[in-house]
Amino acid sequence: GNSVTQMEGPVTLSEEAFLTINCTYTATGYPSLFWYVQYPGEGLQLLLKATKADDKGSNKGFEATYRKETTSFHLEKGSVQVSDSAVYFCALTTPGNQFYFGTGTSLTVIP
Amino acid sequence: SAVISQKPSRDICQRGTSLTIQCQVDSQVTMMFWYRQQPGQSLTLIATANQGSEATYESGFVIDKFPISRPNLTFSTLTVSNLSPEDSSIYLCSVTDSGANVLTFGAGSRLTVL
Repeated sequence: GNSVTQMEGPVTLSEEAFLTINCTYTATGYPSLFWYVQYPGEGLQLLLKATKADDKGSNKGFEATYRKETTSFHLEKGSVQVSDSAVYFCALTTPGNQFYFGTGTSLTVIP
Repeated sequence: SAVISQKPSRDICQRGTSLTIQCQVDSQVTMMFWYRQQPGQSLTLIATANQGSEATYESGFVIDKFPISRPNLTFSTLTVSNLSPEDSSIYLCSVTDSGANVLTFGAGSRLTVL
């Protein structure tokens, strides 16, 4: 079946630190992969996506590369800001199927 | 992408009562999805709502507990019935953007049951 495993938090970083949030997946077929972000008091927003192997999704300084050989889609940012404090969800979907979400990783960036 | 308005944004309810959550989309969509986000946990799909037909419920969710209406292509409601403290969660409405295979979410409705 389909599932997503992401690193547990919470993660606390100082401003300008490097961020990595690990995400691995199990899927039947060829999934599309996503990172969603949930800011306090808000719904989930799409951060970035990749639809095939070796694709790199990027947005707002965040990047993630679709690695089929390691079934991973790790989220990275070179220099985090206080405004990046949020909960990050890795997700996948395969054609005709529902979305599957990881458990979320809470990130707090301190000045 | 679609803009989704959900209300109420939050509510506190007594055990045994019901709460109806409304979801309004600014464009016509075929499928609408209702998710539950329990504290500290991931999102769980409750059901898929298509206009003009019965909602399709995921394993562990039943119509008597979570009745859904879908009267037109821009609106849906989810009712959480016979509330218990275990129903305290965030409930999220979402749609897929046409052709993009991306989920767009409303801001969520935070329910606390006392």
